[in-house]
Amino acid sequence: EIVMTQSPATLSVSPGQRATLSCRASQSVSSNLAWYQQKPGQAPRLLIYGASARATGIPARFSGSGSGTEFTLTISSLQSEDFAVYYCQQYNNWPLTFGGGTKVEIK
Amino acid sequence: QVQLQESGPGLVKPSETLSLTCTVSGYSISSGYYWGWIRQPPGKGLEWIGTIYHSGSTYYNPSLKSRVTISVDTSKNQFSLKLSSVTAADTAVYYCARATVGAPYSDYWGQGSLVTVSS
Repeated sequence: EIVMTQSPATLSVSPGQRATLSCRASQSVSSNLAWYQQKPGQAPRLLIYGASARATGIPARFSGSGSGTEFTLTISSLQSEDFAVYYCQQYNNWPLTFGGGTKVEIK
Repeated sequence: QVQLQESGPGLVKPSETLSLTCTVSGYSISSGYYWGWIRQPPGKGLEWIGTIYHSGSTYYNPSLKSRVTISVDTSKNQFSLKLSSVTAADTAVYYCARATVGAPYSDYWGQGSLVTVSS
């Protein structure tokens, strides 16, 4: 099983500032990495797939990068609606596995 | 517009079987895609349970495999989850989701169904 590790666990950012979230895989997942956003009481929402492709309707301020074992989600200028928990998921191998999440909170 | 909706009992007794159904609208299950279940214990992260293709091929999380059965009913455009011998550790919000064949990230999710295991 591929273990996904996200850091930091909590990120405090001021509105308008940049947020950089990290995700590391215990072995290479190529570019088979997705990012999801989850707000309280809601289902996760797909943001990024293929490590860097934005899902339909996702604003350009969200960008993903990386390959192999190291990945980054960047939110270029945080808006109020972006404060949430973010999860990475690898889909290179079964079983599918998620990282533990990064909570982005208002500073 | 693809929509998924979970349904089933919100309370299950320990040692019994948890059963949930996901009804899909706006897309025919038999047209393709994977269909899966993911769960989230209260205050915790996401755990993949398993995935099924419309043909019936399945993939399960090894940690749950001995207790999980996922099935599909294309005539009703539904797929289902059964988890046997449940304990309090199985208390979670259960989500159904659609995933892309060959690249199984989930692009559409149900709203989630809270299942509590308690006597």
